[in-house]
Amino acid sequence: GENVEQHPSTLSVQEGDSAVIKCTYSDSASNYFPWYKQELGKRPQLIIDIRSNVGEKKDQRIAVTLNKTAKHFSLHITETQPEDSAVYFCAAGSSNTGKLIFGQGTTLQVKP
Amino acid sequence: EAGVAQSPRYKIIEKRQSVAFWCNPISGHATLYWYQQILGQGPKLLIQFQNNGVVDDSQLPKDRFSAERLKGVDSTLKIQPAKLEDSAVYLCASSVPRQKRGAFFGQGTRLTVV
Repeated sequence: GENVEQHPSTLSVQEGDSAVIKCTYSDSASNYFPWYKQELGKRPQLIIDIRSNVGEKKDQRIAVTLNKTAKHFSLHITETQPEDSAVYFCAAGSSNTGKLIFGQGTTLQVKP
Repeated sequence: EAGVAQSPRYKIIEKRQSVAFWCNPISGHATLYWYQQILGQGPKLLIQFQNNGVVDDSQLPKDRFSAERLKGVDSTLKIQPAKLEDSAVYLCASSVPRQKRGAFFGQGTRLTVV
């Protein structure tokens, strides 16, 4: 069935360093790839997304890259800050149906 | 813009009891989702509605779970009877078709089955 694998499960970085989270997906029909940030006890919040007709997208300190051939996509956070600490989820799905399959999540800890 | 509203926020029930969760999506969002998030895992899609029709319920345990969205707006998710493994956060989300900005989540209902 459809599957999204996310790595690493935990990531600890020093403030100011970069963080990279990687995901692979199985359904080649997927054309929409959002990333969500979930702070403890709160709802997942969309932070950035990318569509299959684009290879890279950037928004201030965060960027996403997509390799459709290899079926993988990544989240890059530069100049990390303590408030970036949270669980990050990737997802893959269809912009037509709206169906999203989520990865297992990455717990990011940014140490001051 | 008001967000996705869910209630209750917390619920504790004994196994074999029944429970219902309510969701009110963002106004104008035709697509509504119910996700189950077990501690330490990503959200798992249970059911997706487009207006009042079911688009995908392939992961819904239909022997005990049911959901409806009768008027194409609010939705309820019911579990009857509950099992210990149903303990999780139940998240409701909504989006517009052919979403331009993804799905927006509610705060969730944390269910504990004892």
